[in-house]
Amino acid sequence: SQQGEEDPQALSIQEGENATMNCSYKTSINNLQWYRQNSGRGLVHLILIRSNEREKHSGRLRVTLDTSKKSSSLLITASRAADTASYFCATSNQGGKLIFGQGTELSVKP
Amino acid sequence: EAGVTQFPSHSVIEKGQTVTLRCDPISGHDNLYWYRRVMGKEIKFLLHFVKESKQDESGMPNNRFLAERTGGTYSTLKVQPAELEDSGVYFCASSQRAPGSGYGYTFGSGTRLTVV
Repeated sequence: SQQGEEDPQALSIQEGENATMNCSYKTSINNLQWYRQNSGRGLVHLILIRSNEREKHSGRLRVTLDTSKKSSSLLITASRAADTASYFCATSNQGGKLIFGQGTELSVKP
Repeated sequence: EAGVTQFPSHSVIEKGQTVTLRCDPISGHDNLYWYRRVMGKEIKFLLHFVKESKQDESGMPNNRFLAERTGGTYSTLKVQPAELEDSGVYFCASSQRAPGSGYGYTFGSGTRLTVV
């Protein structure tokens, strides 16, 4: 894989629970982004964290970045059935090309 | 502001046929990217345009794929002849900011290509 690994590959939780997804990468980065893909639909940009940041929040989303371990995590708090989707991390270097992870399939059961 | 538009949303073609995918970026976005997700695997970069020029085409799988962006506006991605392994979802993204500047990309809803 160009990117490394995302884990878990699949995650099933109940509504109201928190969901945590992890991502590791291999190269130096300018920033790391998280995207969501609902079934059959396009990619939606969720949040971006720069390489000099360690944590970022956006609504129910919390992203952490550890550049020494080349890893990031996405936490979705108080999950909803509508959060069911595939979640991808993507890193960007100076050239702007995004390198995606393999994704985590999140299923939130009502 | 209109988003990134891709056409068609779905295409089913036979092996050996030709298919052309189109992407209309957000107006004024110089940077246009093509990506694809094959068989539920990871999303992979295909190429990057800056205006009408190919900045990086290192992800193009082979010479059956031809991308163009005449006039620096919309872009087309032609697959000729299509093979079974080309099936997947093709995404287009555009960005106004310079690459690596630290801003997210706006993706289109994708074209689901099925080669039978």
